[in-house]
Amino acid sequence: KAGVTQTPRYLIKTRGQQVTLSCSPISGHRSVSWYQQTPGQGLQFLFEYFSETQRNKGNFPGRFSGRQFSNSRSEMNVSTLELGDSALYLCASSLEQGDNSPLHFGNGTRLTVT
Amino acid sequence: SQQGEEDPQALSIQEGENATMNCSYKTSINNLQWYRQNSGRGLVHLILIRSNEREKHSGRLRVTLDTSKKSSSLLITASRAADTASYFCATAANAGGTSYGKLTFGQGTILTVHP
Repeated sequence: KAGVTQTPRYLIKTRGQQVTLSCSPISGHRSVSWYQQTPGQGLQFLFEYFSETQRNKGNFPGRFSGRQFSNSRSEMNVSTLELGDSALYLCASSLEQGDNSPLHFGNGTRLTVT
Repeated sequence: SQQGEEDPQALSIQEGENATMNCSYKTSINNLQWYRQNSGRGLVHLILIRSNEREKHSGRLRVTLDTSKKSSSLLITASRAADTASYFCATAANAGGTSYGKLTFGQGTILTVHP
């Protein structure tokens, strides 16, 4: 079974631009979560989607948004990019709705904002 | 913000030795999980221990959980060079319902196993 796939793998953008990152979960997984990883703040939760509905959201500004499609694929968008948005963005999928289901992570998208 | 504190921040050992990493957290939890991350790549789930469990084993991994002290430890026995990675604990908070994919991660322990 294929793992979580994130595209693109690397991205370089300029301040003020916007970016869209894509995530394809493991087949059959309906929950998709997004995390931001930086050296300073570590891993921080962005949001989670299940059946096209956002069920949970972290403490990020409104510039960060996401969505999920009917096939469970998900995208996240960051508008008006800032230098501090440079990070590894990780997508994870899980099988069950509850808490006691491990997250399966993709290899991430490395975003660099210049 | 990070809930977990991990100790030590870095650990360097020889192949064959055991590695122990500790994690503390602040709030009530549903479960605690451990993940491994190789440099610049995604996280790999290692083991999940529920709040009503005290110890769990998986292969060379042993995890303990002490909810009274809000702490957990991960023991890797007979370490191999391939175990070199960053290890993170993550908690699913018990805030009166399901945390819906939201895990709070510690800052991680960088483990280096020398051949």
